[in-house]
Amino acid sequence: AQSVTQLGSHVSVSEGALVLLRCNYSSSVPPYLFWYVQYPNQGLQLLLKYTSAATLVKGINGFEAEFKKSETSFHLTKPSAHMSDAAEYFCAVSGYGGSQGNLIFGKGTKLSVKP
Amino acid sequence: DAMVIQNPRYQVTQFGKPVTLSCSQTLNHNVMYWYQQKSSQAPKLLFHYYDKDFNNEADTPDNFQSRRPNTSFCFLDIRSPGLGDAAMYLCATSREAFTQETQYFGPGTRLLVL
Repeated sequence: AQSVTQLGSHVSVSEGALVLLRCNYSSSVPPYLFWYVQYPNQGLQLLLKYTSAATLVKGINGFEAEFKKSETSFHLTKPSAHMSDAAEYFCAVSGYGGSQGNLIFGKGTKLSVKP
Repeated sequence: DAMVIQNPRYQVTQFGKPVTLSCSQTLNHNVMYWYQQKSSQAPKLLFHYYDKDFNNEADTPDNFQSRRPNTSFCFLDIRSPGLGDAAMYLCATSREAFTQETQYFGPGTRLLVL
């Protein structure tokens, strides 16, 4: 069965600082991995996804993530945080077998950006 | 713009009173999903439709039902809402039910049970 673990339920950074949100996955088959962002009282918006084409994936709003098989990680980064990045971020893996195509989400990391 | 629409954005119901949440999409996607997201938790899949084929998650309570009368619309029915059903309900769509497909989410309906 697939699963994801997001380390740190809350992360706080200063505006202009590096953003690093951690995600580790567990999968017995090559995974498809996603990062979604959720602003307060909104649905989820796709930031980026890994589908085995390239290990470094660039997404929207300046975010990127690197798939590292040896570390079973898919951490999300952004070189310089902006106030508008404050939101909750979810890492997800796509299910296989009976739940093919269904997303299994981590518990989320809430990002705060200080002025 | 192609999108996923959920109505209403906020729904208040009484304990035990049936309630229906609606979702529509202009993306013409084959798959529609319903997720439940409780406060400060990850979204949890309740069920999904591939076209007219209904797929229920094993741990989805019988209290939750769904209907998809056509490609564009999907409904979530809660037959007898309990206090524990208060949550954000998210509808999502994808073109196909393959593992690499992107899911597109609506803005959600926040359900309050009094």
